[in-house]
Amino acid sequence: AQKVTQAQTEISVVEKEDVTLDCVYETRDTTYYLFWYKQPPSGELVFLIRRNSFDEQNEISGRYSWNFQKSTSSFNFTITASQVVDSAVYFCALSESGTTDSWGKLQFGAGTQVVVTP
Amino acid sequence: GAGVSQTPSNKVTEKGKYVELRCDPISGHTALYWYRQSLGQGPEFLIYFQGTGAADDSGLPNDRFFAVRPEGSVSTLKIQRTERGDSAVYLCASSLFKGSPLHFGNGTRLTVT
Repeated sequence: AQKVTQAQTEISVVEKEDVTLDCVYETRDTTYYLFWYKQPPSGELVFLIRRNSFDEQNEISGRYSWNFQKSTSSFNFTITASQVVDSAVYFCALSESGTTDSWGKLQFGAGTQVVVTP
Repeated sequence: GAGVSQTPSNKVTEKGKYVELRCDPISGHTALYWYRQSLGQGPEFLIYFQGTGAADDSGLPNDRFFAVRPEGSVSTLKIQRTERGDSAVYLCASSLFKGSPLHFGNGTRLTVT
């Protein structure tokens, strides 16, 4: 069963528009990590953020912000004032607790392609 | 090097052949992971090494796939009797220790004809 759902396959925006990427996850664990990765056309996955299940505080980093809501099992990602360089595939991922050996065993969603045009 | 290095960047092989894919992690990173990414999909976990030992190989699809990390640094993913369905990008990642964020390489694109 898919544990991380990214319902949006592709989002197209014009530069300077805001874009929000949805991520819904499923887990029975009380301790888990959530991640967002960016995959530009070059192919390398770039780590953006990691949140643990006990920290629901929203986070802002420059033009990026994340909204974590355990009540709805969602971890959404917003890019404010998008730029052409933001064009990439963005992946949400879940790491369930199990043992500490599990932290790097990520379960990725299918990704959302973001296309920013000038 | 500064990042995770994977070689070759591209590999084309015929069905039934044996291939080896190499991963050179960031220096000092003890944890190493292999993932496989099919077209239009997110990466799928294959195997995780902590040091020299495979701590979790639950993602390996079948016994044609095997990975080693003999000295706790470089890792090799080995695929025997390749099949067309093995065609994908194979990603390697390393992390400083268990629980720290993963740093991914650019991947090896494997095409089985």
